[in-house]
Amino acid sequence: DQQVKQNSPSLSVQEGRISILNCDYTNSMFDYFLWYKKYPAEGPTFLISISSIKDKNEDGRFTVFLNKSAKHLSLHIVPSQPGDSAVYFCAATFYNQGGKLIFGQGTELSVKP
Amino acid sequence: GAVVSQHPSRVICKSGTSVKIECRSLDFQATTMFWYRQFPKQSLMLMATSNEGSKATYEQGVEKDKFLINHASLTLSTLTVTSAHPEDSSFYICSARDQRGWRQGDHEQYFGPGTRLTVT
Repeated sequence: DQQVKQNSPSLSVQEGRISILNCDYTNSMFDYFLWYKKYPAEGPTFLISISSIKDKNEDGRFTVFLNKSAKHLSLHIVPSQPGDSAVYFCAATFYNQGGKLIFGQGTELSVKP
Repeated sequence: GAVVSQHPSRVICKSGTSVKIECRSLDFQATTMFWYRQFPKQSLMLMATSNEGSKATYEQGVEKDKFLINHASLTLSTLTVTSAHPEDSSFYICSARDQRGWRQGDHEQYFGPGTRLTVT
């Protein structure tokens, strides 16, 4: 049972344009969501997060939007840069269950110059 | 800050032998560490939650006698793959949660660089 889903395995975007990565979840009890960036043979790097009590969080070029009614979140990267090319994972957690992260399958972003 | 190291980064072992992987939080204390496994082109799957001074909590389907976890201090957790077989070959990643940050509502986990295990 995949509780966190990233239905697009890959995304290709032109440099300077917006990248939008999507993530859906099934469990309405999740109360915190995170986005991680991962290069091959390396551990994930934290990017940005959002609490379930918010609908938007922004940090520089990265903005995460949360739509609780649709159980959907998205990561916007503007403007996209070639260095953003990596695999992006969304993850969800429950605050009262010790912080276990449940990851989506990942979306491989390729930003072309 | 918030650096997590793993050792070794890469290990090749023969079938039937045991391999120990270390996970250290270098500049913060972590009462809780997590062990994940990632197969090629797939998601990170949580194997177990490692708590300092107590037994690890394993996810469903993970054999606790095969994947031994020890969290002996606030900065070190180890994963031992016992009697390794080729199907255990994978990328193993640990993460740690900053104890102080958690109390402040910070849900971030910091990941190590991973260990590539190949069992021949």
